[in-house]
Amino acid sequence: AQTVTQSQPEMSVQEAETVTLSCTYDTSESDYYLFWYKQPPSRQMILVIRQEAYKQQNATENRFSVNFQKAAKSFSLKISDSQLGDAAMYFCAYRSATGNQFYFGTGTSLTVIP
Amino acid sequence: ETGVTQSPTHLIKTRGQQVTLRCSSQSGHNTVSWYQQALGQGPQFIFQYYREEENGRGNFPPRFSGLQFPNYSSELNVNALELDDSALYLCASSTQTRGSEYFGPGTRLLVL
Repeated sequence: AQTVTQSQPEMSVQEAETVTLSCTYDTSESDYYLFWYKQPPSRQMILVIRQEAYKQQNATENRFSVNFQKAAKSFSLKISDSQLGDAAMYFCAYRSATGNQFYFGTGTSLTVIP
Repeated sequence: ETGVTQSPTHLIKTRGQQVTLRCSSQSGHNTVSWYQQALGQGPQFIFQYYREEENGRGNFPPRFSGLQFPNYSSELNVNALELDDSALYLCASSTQTRGSEYFGPGTRLLVL
């Protein structure tokens, strides 16, 4: 089974600064999708960004970007110009291109310091 | 466009009881997945429904069952509740079985 590992249970960043959240995964497949989801205290999981494994270009969504290293099986999330509203639990997730199940990491709790 | 909604928001049951959780998928979505999220953990896949049929199941016992209706809304039923079933139950919908999933706010279940 695929596994997703987030080795940073907690991170903090100063408002307006940049922070990088780490994620590694284990798979024997070549085609898959990777995601970052944000879960604020309100509990609702919000899709932040998605990366297709066959794409070499790293995905970006406004202040959010990823560093996808397929050979290293690494998928980190960079948040630029951090805002107070970015404070949340962030989950990295994997989905096989041939399967329907998401595999989530254990999450990284991000605190933004004013 | 209406997002994913779930009901109820909170629920308290006693061990051995049965519970039904409900989910309305986002407009235009035909696939619904259910997840269990224990405190401090990431969501764990329970099962997925596509066009009213179960389309994959995680490592959960048969007392976890579900339904999907013609309007693509869905129910999660849990029989013979155990204390360890206390968790946040998340529903997610998508436009295809392997698309990005959009989550509802969840139902917090407490089993006493």
